Amino acid sequence: QQQVKQSPQSLIVQKEGISIINCAYENTAFDYFPWYQQFPGKGPALLIAIRPDVSEKKEGRFTISFNKSAKQFSLHIMDSQPGDSATYFCAASVGNAGNMLTFGGGTRLMVKP
Amino acid sequence: DARVTQTPRDKVTEMGQEVTMRCQPILGHNTVFWYRQTMMQGLELLAYFRNRAPLDDSGMPKDRFSAEMPDATLATLKIQPSEPRDSAVYFCASGPTGAKYNEQFFGPGTRLTVL
Repeated sequence: QQQVKQSPQSLIVQKEGISIINCAYENTAFDYFPWYQQFPGKGPALLIAIRPDVSEKKEGRFTISFNKSAKQFSLHIMDSQPGDSATYFCAASVGNAGNMLTFGGGTRLMVKP
Repeated sequence: DARVTQTPRDKVTEMGQEVTMRCQPILGHNTVFWYRQTMMQGLELLAYFRNRAPLDDSGMPKDRFSAEMPDATLATLKIQPSEPRDSAVYFCASGPTGAKYNEQFFGPGTRLTVL
């Protein structure tokens, strides 16, 4: 059972455009929602994370929007750059389960120059 | 600059052979995860250790896969016998405990090709 569903699977955005990746979850016990970024040939690395007590978190060009009632969260990349081309994974975990994460299926982002 | 290390980085083997992948977690981290990544299945959790004790290996095919932590600085994932369907990139990740929400730090992965 896929507990975190991610869309789209792939995304092409023009340079300086906005990239938007969406995730939906089923388990209402989830209380930590990170996004990981993976470049080819590398392991995933934490990009930004949010907890459900806030509806938005921004770090530089990256913003997470969180909708608890809809059980959805999304990653927005403003002013997308070719260097942002990578695979992005959303994830979720339950706090009292330590740091065990359930990952979404991933989105391959390509930013065209 | 602390990081997770994995060896080998690439492994090509023939069907039926034993494969051993090694991971050195970040010093001081006491949770270790093994993942398998394929185009079709994405990131799959295979096994999860805390303080060297296995907590969850439900994602791992028990008949051919085994995961161990002989000591705090080494985690191993073995496949015996290997099959072509095991071809994938295998990631090890480690994380600290002590906080409720913790980042997982991934290694560079082992790309396994079984012919």
